[in-house]
Amino acid sequence: DTVLTQSPALAVSPGERVSISCRASEGVNSYMHWYQQKPGQQPKLLIYKASNLASGVPARFSGSGSGTDFTLTIDPVEADDTATYFCQQSWNDPYTFGAGTKLELK
Amino acid sequence: EVQLVESGGGLVQPGRSLKLSCAASGFTFSNYGMAWVRQTPTKGLEWVASISTGGGNTYYRDSVKGRFTISRDNAKNTQYLQMDSLRSEDTATYYCARSDGDSFDYWGQGVMVTVSS
Repeated sequence: DTVLTQSPALAVSPGERVSISCRASEGVNSYMHWYQQKPGQQPKLLIYKASNLASGVPARFSGSGSGTDFTLTIDPVEADDTATYFCQQSWNDPYTFGAGTKLELK
Repeated sequence: EVQLVESGGGLVQPGRSLKLSCAASGFTFSNYGMAWVRQTPTKGLEWVASISTGGGNTYYRDSVKGRFTISRDNAKNTQYLQMDSLRSEDTATYYCARSDGDSFDYWGQGVMVTVSS
């Protein structure tokens, strides 16, 4: 299975820019997607196919990358962005998710 | 507004069966692929199964092949997950999700499945 590696946690101050990385154990072309999950809630799609903003998602969120290295950027970070962020690939079978990066606000 | 509402979860003994349902509203159900994704604190998020718009194509992760069956009823705007021969490792929160074939753009609130004697 394709393993997606994310850093466990990040802490940033409101108004700053944060980049959350996801590295795939094998190439996934541009078929990487990003989700936000707040405690007690279901995941919410933020970015699909590496760089496309999902419907209703603020333009503060952006995605980049291809192949094995991908980045989700939030600029500027707001207090409401406290959540866990997951990457997911759909190029290789089975679809897999990263373990998530927990974003905390200072 | 897109809504996905799961039901059918609960406590079940190992080896027994359970059937999850997901009622969809707010979009043309028959135009979208659907999926089930599960989540546990230890394994995280795992894609379980997907189904095409008409139901003719289904896909499963290896660990559930032969035990789980995904299906849909487009007349009822509902998808299902029949889970047989349940194991303790199937314990998880199960999410119904709408799929474009690659990403999952809407998710239900989730339903808890606990497999334990």
